[in-house]
Amino acid sequence: DGGITQSPKYLFRKEGQNVTLSCEQNLNHDAMYWYRQDPGQGLRLIYYSQIVNDFQKGDIAEGYSVSREKKESFPLTVTSAQKNPTAFYLCASSSAGQPYYEQYFGPGTRLTVT
Amino acid sequence: DAKTTQPNSMESNEEEPVHLPCNHSTISGTDYIHWYRQLPSQGPEYVIHGLTSNVNNRMASLAIAEDRKSSTLILHRATLRDAAVYYCILTGSGDMRFGAGTRLTVKP
Repeated sequence: DGGITQSPKYLFRKEGQNVTLSCEQNLNHDAMYWYRQDPGQGLRLIYYSQIVNDFQKGDIAEGYSVSREKKESFPLTVTSAQKNPTAFYLCASSSAGQPYYEQYFGPGTRLTVT
Repeated sequence: DAKTTQPNSMESNEEEPVHLPCNHSTISGTDYIHWYRQLPSQGPEYVIHGLTSNVNNRMASLAIAEDRKSSTLILHRATLRDAAVYYCILTGSGDMRFGAGTRLTVKP
């Protein structure tokens, strides 16, 4: 089955630690995206990548970093500089970074930092 | 990308049609209108998208006003599984900004 996988589903970390969230897709999509969702809110764009070895900041990139070394993988690191890291993190992909393609979302990772 | 305005919540009865409105008065000529829905604790699911003409697929229909300043997502027969938050998004570049959406409640 083609799709997007995110792991783990739940993640707990102590304050001050960096943590990396995994996102893998086997849809052969060029574009990948990371979003953050807080309770009762919509999604906010953190980073996106339209092609391997290239990525751009979204609206709330501070305190996050990404890499895109392989087409199928787009890991997100939540650094200790992120002031409020506890949130639901969603990864998505699309055929290309064009407005006429839909995005496919993973199941999300719920990160709790205490 | 231009902003959208949606009602915070709507209710529907099961097996009745539902019309979810979205206003986007500042839409540009190259913006596509996308609709996604999200069930609790899940990632959003693509529903439908269009540019100028009305669109139909197996999930829903999208009616776009002639001036493109508003659109309506139509669920022809609501089921309990359609209860979700529905997001209307404009995108001219591929990356998307999600607002708070409309929370649809379906009553049996």
